[in-house]
Amino acid sequence: AQTVTQSQPEMSVQEAETVTLSCTYDTSENNYYLFWYKQPPSRQMILVIRQEAYKQQNATENRFSVNFQKAAKSFSLKISDSQLGDTAMYFCAFAPPLVFGKGTRLSVIA
Amino acid sequence: EPEVTQTPSHQVTQMGQEVILRCVPISNHLYFYWYRQILGQKVEFLVSFYNNEISEKSEIFDDQFSVERPDGSNFTLKIRSTKLEDSAMYFCASSEEGYYGYTFGSGTRLTVV
Repeated sequence: AQTVTQSQPEMSVQEAETVTLSCTYDTSENNYYLFWYKQPPSRQMILVIRQEAYKQQNATENRFSVNFQKAAKSFSLKISDSQLGDTAMYFCAFAPPLVFGKGTRLSVIA
Repeated sequence: EPEVTQTPSHQVTQMGQEVILRCVPISNHLYFYWYRQILGQKVEFLVSFYNNEISEKSEIFDDQFSVERPDGSNFTLKIRSTKLEDSAMYFCASSEEGYYGYTFGSGTRLTVV
């Protein structure tokens, strides 16, 4: 079974700084998808970014980018120019099927 | 932007009662899912549904749970006899293709007392 590991339960970053959230996963599959979801205090699950494993180019979405290392089974999320609204739980996920890590609580400090 | 709609947003029920959680997936999506998140814990897969039948389910999804797509638009999760440990946030999600773009609803907070 696929597993997703997020080794940082909590992190904090100063506003406007850059932060990187770590994620590793375990699978024997070659074709799969990886995601980062944001869960603000409202508890809604919001897709931040996704990566197809067959694509070598790292996905980017405005201030959010990933560092996808397929051989190392690593999928970290970099948030640039952090904003107060980025404060949330961040979940790394793998599919198929869609399996989540335990999450990293990110606090952006003014 | 299309969204997945879940109702109610919060439900309180007595232990042993039946509850039905409702979801309206995005209209052109073909795959439907239920997940749950116990407070402070990770999001757990319950069940996936495609072509009017369950395609996959987790060990959490026991005989107390059932899903239905009664009218072509709603997708429901029924818990027959709720237990205290069923208290959680329940998320519905849908996707157009199997594993590419999941869209989650806002969730239903179920409290069993």
